Amino acid sequence: GAVVSQHPSWVICKSGTSVKIECRSLDFQATTMFWYRQFPKQSLMLMATSNEGSKATYEQGVEKDKFLINHASLTLSTLTVTSAHPEDSSFYICSASSFRGGSAAFFGQGTRLTVV
Amino acid sequence: QKEVEQDPGPLSVPEGAIVSLNCTYSNSAFQYFMWYRQYSRKGPELLMYTYSSGNKEDGRFTAQVDKSSKYISLFIRDSQPSDSATYLCAMSDGGATNKLIFGTGTLLAVQP
Repeated sequence: GAVVSQHPSWVICKSGTSVKIECRSLDFQATTMFWYRQFPKQSLMLMATSNEGSKATYEQGVEKDKFLINHASLTLSTLTVTSAHPEDSSFYICSASSFRGGSAAFFGQGTRLTVV
Repeated sequence: QKEVEQDPGPLSVPEGAIVSLNCTYSNSAFQYFMWYRQYSRKGPELLMYTYSSGNKEDGRFTAQVDKSSKYISLFIRDSQPSDSATYLCAMSDGGATNKLIFGTGTLLAVQP
């Protein structure tokens, strides 16, 4: 299957600082990348959808100024959590799919963010 | 009503058992159906991908889609302790956004 690499796998940061998470598709061109948040024992909550070269589409209730998403190339998308607070602590996961509608999405390993 | 319903479990079975995992959905526009396996603190891993109705087999795994009943299933034969994980169904209408709609996941424990 296709490989999606997410980095870092875990990060601890101080409250008020910003954290950047990278998501790379290693062996295919990902025209669409998705960012999810997952709380313990819960399913994936879609935060935003990003298409290469255009602005991300955020789901209702997700603050676009807090969660900055950049999809500058067909293999890289980044999520920056700005001015992080303890309530932003969570498991963040990216996924990537190729252009064809109905394509399966492949997930990164996830990033565990802890804000102290 | 949620677009996709999935029994959260937990489901506990003995090693070697046949496991049946199911999802129902309400949107008749869904055409693409996937099953993912997620181990604790890891990203989901794609197990099965099917288009429209029918069966698909891959090793010990069989995926079934019944669009007339809006019902999909994943069967695991000869279950192993290493199959213990959360299983997520997902589906898409194949639209431009390619957005997947997920079930809540079923936690499976295979006892040795």
